[in-house]
Amino acid sequence: AQRVTQPEKLLSVFKGAPVELKCNYSYSGSPELFWYVQYSRQRLQLLLRHISRESIKGFTADLNKGETSFHLKKPFAQEEDSAMYYCALSGPGNTPLVFGKGTRLSVIA
Amino acid sequence: GAVVSQHPSWVICKSGTSVKIECRSLDFQATTMFWYRQFPKQSLMLMATSNEGSKATYEQGVEKDKFLINHASLTLSTLTVTSAHPEDSSFYICSARFQGLNTEAFFGQGTRLTVV
Repeated sequence: AQRVTQPEKLLSVFKGAPVELKCNYSYSGSPELFWYVQYSRQRLQLLLRHISRESIKGFTADLNKGETSFHLKKPFAQEEDSAMYYCALSGPGNTPLVFGKGTRLSVIA
Repeated sequence: GAVVSQHPSWVICKSGTSVKIECRSLDFQATTMFWYRQFPKQSLMLMATSNEGSKATYEQGVEKDKFLINHASLTLSTLTVTSAHPEDSSFYICSARFQGLNTEAFFGQGTRLTVV
C-alpha cells in the first residue's frame, strides 16, 4: 500500500535555526517523491521533487531508499518559510499524488 | 508554470440541492485530472481520478452517485455534489499533471463548499 507519514503536525523554530521536516513513505516499487508547500490562503505549489535534486528557497531533500525517507531540510529558517508542508508520492506516469498529513512550520522571529 | 483554475472559489448551498464545481487546465491539455477533499487542518484525500472521455475511477469509500465527475474535454473536469448534506461541507481541490514521467502536479485554488 502507498503511504506517506509526516510524524510532526507542528514544528516551531526560531529564525536562523536549522529546519528538518520528516517524511517517511511506504511503496512497493520506485516512487516519485515531492514536497509541496501551501502558504496562507494560497494554493498548493511544488517546492521540490527528488528526481530533480535541486534546491528551492534554500530547501533540499534527499531520497533515502534504505530508510524510505525524504526529509526536507533548510540550514537557516526564515519567517517567510512559515507555511504548511506536504510530502507526497506517486507512481510513475500520470497517477495521483498520495499526501502525508502535512506539517505546519512556524518560524519565530 | 501551468495553471489549473477552479470555479467557484466558495459556494453556500441548501441541504438537498446539487452543486457543480469546475476545474480547468488553462494552458495545457489534461487527459487526467484528480479530485481531492480536504477537511480542516487535515491532509488532502484523493476522491477520484477523472479521465477524459471515460468514466472516473473512484477511491474506496467515495460514493460515485453522490460525487458525479464528468471530464468532457481535455481542459475541463466537473465535480457535482448531488443532494448535498452538511457533512459534505469541505474544501475540494482539483489537480492535473502533464503527461509523461516525473511531472509535477498542478493544483487549483480549491472550492470551499458549505451546506446549510
